[in-house]
Amino acid sequence: AQSVTQLGSHVSVSEGALVLLRCNYSSSVPPYLFWYVQYPNQGLQLLLKYTTGATLVKGINGFEAEFKKSETSFHLTKPSAHMSDAAEYFCAVSDLGSPISARQLTFGSGTQLTVLP
Amino acid sequence: NAGVTQTPKFQVLKTGQSMTLQCAQDMNHEYMSWYRQDPGMGLRLIHYSVGAGITDQGEVPNGYNVSRSTTEDFPLRLLSAAPSQTSVYFCASVRGRGTEAFFGQGTRLTVV
Repeated sequence: AQSVTQLGSHVSVSEGALVLLRCNYSSSVPPYLFWYVQYPNQGLQLLLKYTTGATLVKGINGFEAEFKKSETSFHLTKPSAHMSDAAEYFCAVSDLGSPISARQLTFGSGTQLTVLP
Repeated sequence: NAGVTQTPKFQVLKTGQSMTLQCAQDMNHEYMSWYRQDPGMGLRLIHYSVGAGITDQGEVPNGYNVSRSTTEDFPLRLLSAAPSQTSVYFCASVRGRGTEAFFGQGTRLTVV
């Protein structure tokens, strides 16, 4: 079974500083990889995804992530944090083993990002 | 285009009561699923459906029931609510492999 590890349940950065949220997955076959963001009292919104092709993926709101197969990682970065980035971020994977599992998401435990003025 | 709609947004139940959480999507997606979100645990899959009439269990199915009579609707039933089912519940739908999952706004359930 897939598992996803997000290092750091809480991350604080100053406004304008680099944001780095870490995600590692366990799979012998590279899965589909996703980052979702959740603002307070709302559902989850897709930030970006990796399926095939270029390993550096750009998403909304200036975020990007790089798929590194050798490190089984998919870390999320943003060069300059904004106050509006404060939210909870979830890394998720889909297993390509079957048409069903390719639609299912296994989530990490989430990272709460705080942006300090 | 409403996307995924969940009702109610908030609910308080007494232990032993039953209720149904509603989920509807208007995107004609075959795959739908229910997750529960608990602090520090991310989202965990409860049940899923790959089309009308077809459902299956996810990671944490005990105490929940689902059915899928139409493509649009995927209700989640709590048969006899327990305090351990206090959580935030999300419904999601997916069009295809590797595509975006669309989430509802969530139902915050408290069982006392």
